[in-house]
Amino acid sequence: GAGVSQTPSNKVTEKGKYVELRCDPISGHTALYWYRQSLGQGPEFLIYFQGTGAADDSGLPNDRFFAVRPEGSVSTLKIQRTERGDSAVYLCASSSRPQGRTSESYNEQFFGPGTRLTVL
Amino acid sequence: GENVEQHPSTLSVQEGDSAVIKCTYSDSASNYFPWYKQELGKRPQLIIDIRSNVGEKKDQRIAVTLNKTAKHFSLHITETQPEDSAVYFCAATTNSGNTPLVFGKGTRLSVIA
Repeated sequence: GAGVSQTPSNKVTEKGKYVELRCDPISGHTALYWYRQSLGQGPEFLIYFQGTGAADDSGLPNDRFFAVRPEGSVSTLKIQRTERGDSAVYLCASSSRPQGRTSESYNEQFFGPGTRLTVL
Repeated sequence: GENVEQHPSTLSVQEGDSAVIKCTYSDSASNYFPWYKQELGKRPQLIIDIRSNVGEKKDQRIAVTLNKTAKHFSLHITETQPEDSAVYFCAATTNSGNTPLVFGKGTRLSVIA
């Protein structure tokens, strides 16, 4: 079946502009994550949804960043007043509902191809 | 919160040799440790994972070991091939079920033919 998809694949914008990045998770996956990957670094957690609600948004760097998942499927990451330091690859991942209540219940996170954001 | 350190940052091996990448974590409550492979311009893909109730797991040429006491885990690739060249990331997380991953900074592996 289809994997996680993200659009656009590349986004170039000017400092101060507003951008939206879209993520389509694997059908049926209840958990959705946004990560940011800077050049030469590992992905850094931004926000995580379980269904429609943000279960953990502790990774969002400041209030210019916001994400929604209104119907529990597609998610949009929104960045206001973009800054050059926001330039990075924004990765989305999804995983299925855990089964059982043991440590075996962790489910693999499947990543999308990312959106490369460049702020000039 | 959790902190994951990964070494080395770059690694070059001759084709056919073994490669070992090591990670340490700080939170003793972490219980899930996946390894991802990321080729240039591509998405991270899970290659192997290990949970805290086992010490070693193997899948063909790839193995992962976990030492909970020392809070470190390692990726072992045997009989390396040029197509193993990529950036490898270790990660850790606490709790079971759908919690965010904390990643290491990655290791760029080059397999020289």
